[in-house]
Formats: sequence, C-alpha cells, structure tokens
Amino acid sequence: NAGVTQTPKFRILKIGQSMTLQCTQDMNHNYMYWYRQDPGMGLKLIYYSVGAGITDKGEVPNGYNVSRSTTEDFPLRLELAAPSQTSVYFCASSHRTDTQYFGPGTRLTVL
Amino acid sequence: SQKIEQNSEALNIQEGKTATLTCNYTNYSPAYLQWYRQDPGRGPVFLLLIRENEKEKRKERLKVTFDTTLKQSLFHITASQPADSATYLCASEGYQKVTFGTGTKLQVIP
Repeated sequence: NAGVTQTPKFRILKIGQSMTLQCTQDMNHNYMYWYRQDPGMGLKLIYYSVGAGITDKGEVPNGYNVSRSTTEDFPLRLELAAPSQTSVYFCASSHRTDTQYFGPGTRLTVL
Repeated sequence: SQKIEQNSEALNIQEGKTATLTCNYTNYSPAYLQWYRQDPGRGPVFLLLIRENEKEKRKERLKVTFDTTLKQSLFHITASQPADSATYLCASEGYQKVTFGTGTKLQVIP
C-alpha cells in the first residue's frame, strides 16, 4: 500500500494564481482531511470529508475549496492565491476519527 | 469546541533519561486521546491511542496515561535516545474530526 500520497511536493505561486493540491489514499478510508501547518505552529484543519460526496469546513476554510467524488481522492483547490496561504499542506485519512495517516505534505509559497 | 494544550516550550533532556510530555484538554472528556510524532518537514506519524477507560498504555519504550480527573494525558519515553528528538503532538477525538495540540519539541542530548 502506498498509503496517502500528495502532489506536488513543492510549488511556488504568484499572487492571484490558482492551483489544486492532489491527495490520494489507497486504504479505503472514509474520512479524509486537509490541514495547513505554518512554521513552528500546529495543524489547522481546512476541510474534511466523511465519505464520497460529503465535505465540511474546518477551522480555516476561507480561500479554499474541496470536492470528494471518490473514496480515494480529496483534492484541495486554492483560488486567487494570497501570501497568507504560504504554508505546508498535509492531507490525512482515517477509518473513523481515530488513527490518522498523513501524506508527506506539499510546501506552497505564494509570492 | 475541544482545546488541546501542550507545553510550547522545547523540552531538553539527557540521553538515557525519561522524557515526560503533558497534554491537557479543556472541555469534554474524549473517548480517546492519540499521540503522534512529527519530524521536521514530514507528516505526523501515529504512535499510541489510549481510551478513556484505560489508565495506561505501553508500546516498547513509550507509555501514555489518561487521567480524566485532571483532564490530562502524559506521554513518557524511557531510556531516551537522540533519535527520539522530534515534535510530539497530542490529539483528541471529536465529532467527525480530531483536534490536535500545537506539539512539544523534544531534544535528546547525547
């Protein structure tokens, strides 16, 4: 099993550009999550999903959108990138609200 | 909503000693708490889960306790090694999601 994979690993965006961060898991988990982590800070929940077709906002959803058309994939869309979105983004999945398996992260810089 | 508090100051200990990290939760008593390890530039990795009715849980050199009276979990690493240096995150289960603390950075000095 590959676990949770994320692409890209690194990305530099200009202000106002858009991009999609990809996340795929092969563990057949229903729950999937997107977090951002700023330097020296904790994880902040952006969006989460409890199953295909179901998504909900987390703590810091503004400026982001998600979709969950399949169990495996949970892409995160950034529209009109801003410097405040410079961060490391982690995707995670879990069977229920227990053990979360994290991807390797995407390091995003907005200039 | 649940709030998880961990000591934000780094913990420095000598190799071979026992490291003890603290996690306090503020609102409801969760059904379980989890501990994760995060190395720089990497995603958190699950270590241990302890349920509300379990006072203590062990895995190799790791031990976790859960005290519902104090609203606290303690995470111990015995015979610490430099390779144990990392940030350790505490997490509380909640409705449909998990709340993470900001983590405590542990530095084991040879």
